[in-house]
Amino acid sequence: EVQLVESGGNLVQPGGSLRVSCAASGFTFSSDTMNWVRQAPGKGLEWLSYISTDSSTIYYADSVKGRFTISRDNVKNSVFLQMNSLRVEDTAVYYCVRDSPNFWGAFDVWGQGTKVTVSS
Amino acid sequence: ELTQPVSVSVALGQTATIPCGGDNIGTHNVHWYHQKAGRAPVVVLYRDARRPSGIPERFSGSNSGNMATLTISSAQVGDEGDYYCEVWASNTAIFGGGTKLTVL
Repeated sequence: EVQLVESGGNLVQPGGSLRVSCAASGFTFSSDTMNWVRQAPGKGLEWLSYISTDSSTIYYADSVKGRFTISRDNVKNSVFLQMNSLRVEDTAVYYCVRDSPNFWGAFDVWGQGTKVTVSS
Repeated sequence: ELTQPVSVSVALGQTATIPCGGDNIGTHNVHWYHQKAGRAPVVVLYRDARRPSGIPERFSGSNSGNMATLTISSAQVGDEGDYYCEVWASNTAIFGGGTKLTVL
């Protein structure tokens, strides 16, 4: 079964840091590009970052550029999001998402999400 | 920026239409996602009108000019939830604000 499982969400104070992880299984992880998408409480979806199969190409949304860093480990079949200088407005459920060339870049596999709360 | 109506209502068994507006959106591949309460989104259409396996033929789409449209025929209670359009532009994925579909 194709699966993405996020972990690492937590309560963190403003200005703090947190690293969330995503473990992939059921597909050839090293062949697929990955993304992070978040959803603030009661709000819509917001794309955050993209990483290519070999980590050579990385993109960020303006809202997180300079604060968040995406990375991946193709040996451990995992993708990560390091979040620094966290703000209250970063409170959200963070989803790990695969985008598939078979679906013309659509996000075809989503994790269940991990909750990040930024609050004092 | 992609613009969607906040909400759409449809009678059971009737046809729902959810628009997604954006400048020259017709030149982009538009993808559509359905999210039920408390669940992760699921792709229901990709590349404007193509259905992944398991998505009923009741779901269809179009994309031209400044508007893309998701159409759900014979709407069912299970179709309720939030629908998001999405495109890639300038190395960024952009989601519409989402439309809440209610089946009456």
